[in-house]
Amino acid sequence: KAGVTQTPRYLIKTRGQQVTLSCSPISGHRSVSWYQQTPGQGLQFLFEYFSETQRNKGNFPGRFSGRQFSNSRSEMNVSTLELGDSALYLCASSLGGTGGFYEQYFGPGTRLTVT
Amino acid sequence: KNEVEQSPQNLTAQEGEFITINCSYSVGISALHWLQQHPGGGIVSLFMLSSGKKKHGRLIATINIQEKHSSLHITASHPRDSAVYICAVPTQGGSEKLVFGKGTKLTVNP
Repeated sequence: KAGVTQTPRYLIKTRGQQVTLSCSPISGHRSVSWYQQTPGQGLQFLFEYFSETQRNKGNFPGRFSGRQFSNSRSEMNVSTLELGDSALYLCASSLGGTGGFYEQYFGPGTRLTVT
Repeated sequence: KNEVEQSPQNLTAQEGEFITINCSYSVGISALHWLQQHPGGGIVSLFMLSSGKKKHGRLIATINIQEKHSSLHITASHPRDSAVYICAVPTQGGSEKLVFGKGTKLTVNP
């Protein structure tokens, strides 16, 4: 079974631009969660999608958005990039459902650098 | 809001030593996750547990729900165990929305 894939793996953008990151979950997984990891703040939850609906959201500004398609693939978008958005963006997939009792499988991450 | 504390922040050991990493959280949970992150960023889920103890090879995870505490043990540590170990808990009882500890950086010297 193929693992979680993320594209692109590395990205360099300029302040003010926007960026779209993609995540393909493990086949059969319906939940996709996105996380941001920085040296200062560590891992932080961005949002979770389940069956094309945003089910949970972290404390990030509206510049961060996402969506999930009918095949469970997910994208996240960051508009008007700031230097502080430089981070490793990870997605994780799980079977989902309710109860928070599902193991999450992480992708390799997209390293975004904003200059 | 659940808060997660991990200790120690950094740990250096000699190959073969027994390692313990601790995690405490503030709000009752349905499950706790232990994750491993190697240099380069890839994260692997080691355990997800809601009670008692789980074992996988040389790794053992325990949880005490009443005390809101979990430990990750590594027996006969090896240099390839060098990584950052992170615990994570849901912010609400049954949510997929996780909050993470700051991680424990483990270095095992040969």
